[in-house]
Formats: sequence, structure tokens, C-alpha cells
Amino acid sequence: NAGVTQTPKFRVLKTGQSMTLLCAQDMNHEYMYWYRQDPGMGLRLIHYSVGEGTTAKGEVPDGYNVSRLKKQNFLLGLESAAPSQTSVYFCASSDSPHHTFGSGTRLTVV
Amino acid sequence: SQELEQSPQSLIVQEGKNLTINCTSSKTLYGLYWYKQKYGEGLIFLMMLQKGGEEKSHEKITAKLDEKKQQSSLHITASQPSHAGIYLCGADLAGGTSYGKLTFGQGTILTVHP
Repeated sequence: NAGVTQTPKFRVLKTGQSMTLLCAQDMNHEYMYWYRQDPGMGLRLIHYSVGEGTTAKGEVPDGYNVSRLKKQNFLLGLESAAPSQTSVYFCASSDSPHHTFGSGTRLTVV
Repeated sequence: SQELEQSPQSLIVQEGKNLTINCTSSKTLYGLYWYKQKYGEGLIFLMMLQKGGEEKSHEKITAKLDEKKQQSSLHITASQPSHAGIYLCGADLAGGTSYGKLTFGQGTILTVHP
């Protein structure tokens, strides 16, 4: 029972590089979310999706893009990484009031 | 200021002591969720509260929802080192239009000394 799987777990990027964070869920959930966690700020919603082929902006969407081509996958892209995007990124899915979270991706942009 | 404020931000207790973490909203709460996070890991769902006055317990952890104050409290009885971690409250502040989106507090870092 995998739940929500995020890859990679760690990554170091140079300023200006691009990358994609992968999130996969095997629970057939409709809703999926990308959050970032920064010290003293809790989790902030970046983008979310309410179903296959749909995406919407959250609280802090700038500098990120997402895609949900398949129901089980939700991809988060950084086109040109900036040091301000150094953070821990969490993916979550939901089909009931509460979220199921992945174990996170720790991203450092130097 | 944050829509969801947790207090305290950090807490250090001796094993066996009781403790309380509070989560206060500046908006109407349509649902309140407590999660626990260990360093380097994801968030684990603890409890969900949806009705004013509701109280739920799991092992030695009890959570209550005070609708009038728009506040929830998480109480741990006889703390153990296994309770250490970061506790986060998440809330549905939009009701039926939220698509399950949650707003989170800053988190409370709990350390339990043996």
C-alpha cells in the first residue's frame, strides 16, 4: 500500500536550472496538491488539481507550473530555479476531508 | 498575520508531563485537522474535528474544537519520547468551495526529554 510517492527525495539545483518533481498516488483520489514547507510558515499551497486534466493556482504559484495528465500523477515544475525556492515540497492527495501526504522532496537552490 | 495561528511555536517537556497545543483561526472553521510530522518525513493524519464542541481521542492524544472561539486544542497526556515531532493544524476555511484545500498553521515543535 504505497499511498503517495514523491521523487526525488533530495535535489540540489543551481540558480536558473529547471527540474520536475514527481508525485504519484495509488488511491484513485480526485484531488491532488503541492505544498511547500518553510521554517516558521507552515505549509503553503502552490497549485492543486481537482481531477485529471485540471490545475489551479494556490497561495504561492509564482515560479512553478504543474500538470496532471493522468489521474494518479501530479507533476510540479520549476522552469528557472531561484534560491527563494529552496524548501521542502510535499505532495498530497485527497478524496475525503483529510489529506494523505508524501514524504517530501528537500530542494536546495544554490 | 497568518489565518491560522498555532501556539506555542516550540515546547520542551519532561517525559510523563501533560501538554497542550492551540490552533486559532481568524476565519470560520469548516473542518480542523491535526497532523504530526517527524523530521524528514511526511505528515501523518491524527484527527479531524468538524462540529463545535467535538472532542476526539487517540491513545493519549485528545483534540477539541471550540466553535465560539474558532479554536482547537491538542492535549497529550503523560508524554513519551515517541510523541516528539512537529504538530500542525490544518483547516478548511472556505467550506463547500474549498476543493479540499487546507490552510496550515506554522507548526509546533515538540521535544520530550526522557
